[in-house]
Amino acid sequence: DAKTTQPPSMDCAEGRAANLPCNHSTISGNEYVYWYRQIHSQGPQYIIHGLKNNETNEMASLIITEDRKSSTLILPHATLRDTAVYYCIVRVAGAGNKLTFGGGTRVLVKP
Amino acid sequence: DSGVTQTPKHLITATGQRVTLRCSPRSGDLSVYWYQQSLDQGLQFLIQYYNGEERAKGNILERFSAQQFPDLHSELNLSSLELGDSALYFCASSGTGAGTGELFFGEGSRLTVL
Repeated sequence: DAKTTQPPSMDCAEGRAANLPCNHSTISGNEYVYWYRQIHSQGPQYIIHGLKNNETNEMASLIITEDRKSSTLILPHATLRDTAVYYCIVRVAGAGNKLTFGGGTRVLVKP
Repeated sequence: DSGVTQTPKHLITATGQRVTLRCSPRSGDLSVYWYQQSLDQGLQFLIQYYNGEERAKGNILERFSAQQFPDLHSELNLSSLELGDSALYFCASSGTGAGTGELFFGEGSRLTVL
């Protein structure tokens, strides 16, 4: 699986959009970008994933650059409950493929 | 609620002892994954089973072993425990066939070795 680079931490204001960057310059053509988050020692939670098109769901939006070497996770209106460690992971999609977690970005949403 | 159940939630034991952690995957999921999260190591992949067979192996110590039973639940056995084995142990499961390949994680078992 390709490696990813994320800033170790970032703060954002409650109610504002949080933009979380991720670099994955060695991504292969069949690898997807996945985002998970872990809220204070709970089990990691799936957020969103994409291949090359931008994706949106009820939790977040994922913007992937045209060359696929980087992406941004957008939390449109951050709340205090979004305080968590966010992991950007690149892997081949489909059942039966493990996730390899890096250090992630520790996001602190402030009132 | 992810649908993945882990027991026990908390476990305190002494060095040299042996413990067993149990995981019940989501209904119908054939793949089970085990992860270890200690303070200084982050989330480390240990091992994966698929329908009873070992599928992938990560940084799992020889003192640790796992298996997946015919009813698809899995157990992680940790023996000759050391202080450094104190960690959160997560189990995850995933489905089969086409789909997101999303892993669903349990709430973890917190092991403290004294």
